[in-house]
Amino acid sequence: DGGITQSPKYLFRKEGQNVTLSCEQNLNHDAMYWYRQDPGQGLRLIYYSQIVNDFQKGDIAEGYSVSREKKESFPLTVTSAQKNPTAFYLCASSKDRAYNQPQHFGDGTRLSIL
Amino acid sequence: AQKVTQAQTEISVVEKEDVTLDCVYETRDTTYYLFWYKQPPSGELVFLIRRNSFDEQNEISGRYSWNFQKSTSSFNFTITASQVVDSAVYFCALRRSGGYQKVTFGTGTKLQVIP
Repeated sequence: DGGITQSPKYLFRKEGQNVTLSCEQNLNHDAMYWYRQDPGQGLRLIYYSQIVNDFQKGDIAEGYSVSREKKESFPLTVTSAQKNPTAFYLCASSKDRAYNQPQHFGDGTRLSIL
Repeated sequence: AQKVTQAQTEISVVEKEDVTLDCVYETRDTTYYLFWYKQPPSGELVFLIRRNSFDEQNEISGRYSWNFQKSTSSFNFTITASQVVDSAVYFCALRRSGGYQKVTFGTGTKLQVIP
């Protein structure tokens, strides 16, 4: 079964702690994305990567970091600099960066502060 | 700048009723794609349809249909004979052509189908 796997499903962060959200895809997609979803809001882009070893900031990158060392993997680290990290995080991928390609999503990680 | 507006925050219908979810967009580009996604309670967004800005044909897929009207910048989604399984949050999205362009999502419409 091809798809996107996000883990963990639920994550709790203590003050001053960095946490990493995992995103793995076996769709052989080039492009990957991280979104943040808050209640009553649309999805906001945190980071995206169009190809291995390359990534760009989205609209709300402050307090987050990513890496793209392998095509299949695009982990997101929520750093202690992100003062309001409580949200639902969605990872997505698309075949390439072309504008007509739909995005395929994982089932999300819900991050809360302890 | 581009913008997607889903003015209906929440809609409740009784099972078997028809329901239309509105989507209005703003863009100065002539070439773009519009998308609809469904987000069930499990959380993942599921791609439903995409429409090229040059293709104004309406589309029907089973109980789902989409009405794209460039003149009013709208891309509305109708569910006929709604079912409980249709209960979800539905997002409309827009992506421009040219280089890398981010996807702009609406704020979503939560649909509750009551048995």
